[in-house]
Amino acid sequence: AQSVTQLDSQVPVFEEAPVELRCNYSSSVSVYLFWYVQYPNQGLQLLLKYLSGSTLVESINGFEAEFNKSQTSFHLRKPSVHISDTAEYFCAVSAGNTPLVFGKGTRLSVIA
Amino acid sequence: NAGVTQTPKFQVLKTGQSMTLQCAQDMNHNSMYWYRQDPGMGLRLIYYSASEGTTDKGEVPNGYNVSRLNKREFSLRLESAAPSQTSVYFCASSEVSGDEQFFGPGTRLTVL
Repeated sequence: AQSVTQLDSQVPVFEEAPVELRCNYSSSVSVYLFWYVQYPNQGLQLLLKYLSGSTLVESINGFEAEFNKSQTSFHLRKPSVHISDTAEYFCAVSAGNTPLVFGKGTRLSVIA
Repeated sequence: NAGVTQTPKFQVLKTGQSMTLQCAQDMNHNSMYWYRQDPGMGLRLIYYSASEGTTDKGEVPNGYNVSRLNKREFSLRLESAAPSQTSVYFCASSEVSGDEQFFGPGTRLTVL
């Protein structure tokens, strides 16, 4: 079975500073990895995903994540955050034919 | 396309009452899911349906039943609501199990 650990439950950061949200997973087979974002009182939206190929994946709003197989990690980064990035972020893993398993979430608070 | 829709958006029940949460998707997806989201717990899978005609238990199925009515619709029923079922419920769908999931806006349920 797969599992996901998001190492930080809350991350406060000043506007225009860089941020890293950490995600580690556990699986005995090859995995697909996802980051979702949830804005207040909304459902989850896909931010980016790794299925295969290049280990660095990017989103349209400046986030990127790198799949590191040896460290079983898929950390999310952004070089300069905006107030509008304030949200909860969820890392998820799938073995390919099983439902996604989600981490407990990291609440990113961007401070002006 | 509406994507994934859920009804109702809000509901208040008394302990012991029953209700059904409705979910529909218009993306011709094969797989559908029900999650609950509680503070600090992330998303926990209640039930899922990998394809029309099949349903399987997730992590927290006790107290719930589901029906995959057709390819578009997947309902969640609480037969006898308990305060522990106070939560936000999300429905999601994907083309196949393990693929990227698309989420509905959620149903906020309070059981008194």
